[in-house]
Amino acid sequence: DTAVSQTPKYLVTQMGNDKSIKCEQNLGHDTMYWYKQDSKKFLKIMFSYNNKELIINETVPNRFSPKSPDKAHLNLHINSLELGDSAVYFCASSLMGGETQYFGPGTRLLVL
Amino acid sequence: AQKVTQAQTEISVVEKEDVTLDCVYETRDTTYYLFWYKQPPSGELVFLIRRNSFDEQNEISGRYSWNFQKSTSSFNFTITASQVVDSAVYFCALSESTGANNLFFGTGTRLTVIP
Repeated sequence: DTAVSQTPKYLVTQMGNDKSIKCEQNLGHDTMYWYKQDSKKFLKIMFSYNNKELIINETVPNRFSPKSPDKAHLNLHINSLELGDSAVYFCASSLMGGETQYFGPGTRLLVL
Repeated sequence: AQKVTQAQTEISVVEKEDVTLDCVYETRDTTYYLFWYKQPPSGELVFLIRRNSFDEQNEISGRYSWNFQKSTSSFNFTITASQVVDSAVYFCALSESTGANNLFFGTGTRLTVIP
């Protein structure tokens, strides 16, 4: 059973479109995260959610919006996609308090 | 502010050699956590180890070992008798006890093990 899953694995789309990436975890964790990995492999936190509340929002454009229907899901919705949004997006989950974060397989987004 | 530095961008070794990946961190918190993750060519992020700031004991897991030294703010990772399957990008990361416990990653070290 996959602990943290993401769909889709690959996403190719045109500039200006709106897209969503879904994430689900079956680990019973309290907190979920979205990270972005750019073309140079640099990983940076975008959002984290704890018990359906956004607890930190890094300086990402407001075109990006996380949505959490329940504790096991944290989806990422992106409006008006831009070329610079092309990256790999990773979902992760953990218990609170500095516990280990477990990552999903990543979604490779390519904006044309 | 927190920061993680992995000064080695790329390392190449011949199979069976030992290799050490360096990690230096900065934080103002007295309680924090350090991690290593492996990203093989397939792209997933694989958890390797977690250390809290109060536990400076070195750890060994098979061919992997970690040296945590608070005095130098370093958390180095050694692979003994490297194998081709160790080829990957390795990330060191820091999580602080305050705030959202997000992971702050270093820029990664790409390790290539040559058969």
